[in-house]
Amino acid sequence: TQLLEQSPQFLSIQEGENLTVYCNSSSVFSSLQWYRQEPGEGPVLLVTVVTGGEVKKLKRLTFQFGDARKDSSLHITAAQPGDTGLYLCAEAARMMVFGAGTILRVKS
Amino acid sequence: NAGVMQNPRHLVRRRGQEARLRCSPMKGHSHVYWYRQLPEEGLKFMVYLQKENIIDESGMPKERFSAEFPKEGPSILRIQQVVRGDSAAYFCASSQGHGANNEQFFGPGTRLTVL
Repeated sequence: TQLLEQSPQFLSIQEGENLTVYCNSSSVFSSLQWYRQEPGEGPVLLVTVVTGGEVKKLKRLTFQFGDARKDSSLHITAAQPGDTGLYLCAEAARMMVFGAGTILRVKS
Repeated sequence: NAGVMQNPRHLVRRRGQEARLRCSPMKGHSHVYWYRQLPEEGLKFMVYLQKENIIDESGMPKERFSAEFPKEGPSILRIQQVVRGDSAAYFCASSQGHGANNEQFFGPGTRLTVL
């Protein structure tokens, strides 16, 4: 069973700061997804990455997939309070396997 | 087009009672997945169903838990004789097809509290 480790577990920053969260796997991802989950809601898909070395941008969010497809990062530029939430990475293989997530809190 | 709907949003049960969680997938979606989430943890896959069939229940406890997705009506996750350890948020997701190329859309979840 693939294990997904996310770091840090918890991050509290001021509005306007940059941050990076990480997702690492014990084996190669077939494809990897990043989700954001707000309190009291279900996860919402942000991006899917498939190719090693792939970089995708979504407004202030930059997603990077490692060359070996065993790790990924999510970088947020100029964080805003609306970015607050739980960020989950998931292996989108036969069945979804989720990491434990990074709880991000952006203070205004 | 309405998203995935789950009800109830909150459910309180005493130990030994039954809990029934309902999930209505998005229109046109025939694949339904159930996940369980403990506080400040990721989601754990429980069961995958396609209309009237259980495809994969490898993540669902063998005892007390069951799931169905009838031809008509919502998918149901049923927990019999609940225990305190069943307290969690239960999420349903639906998709048009199965596999990495088919996005799963999640409902808002049912938060089960067992007293």
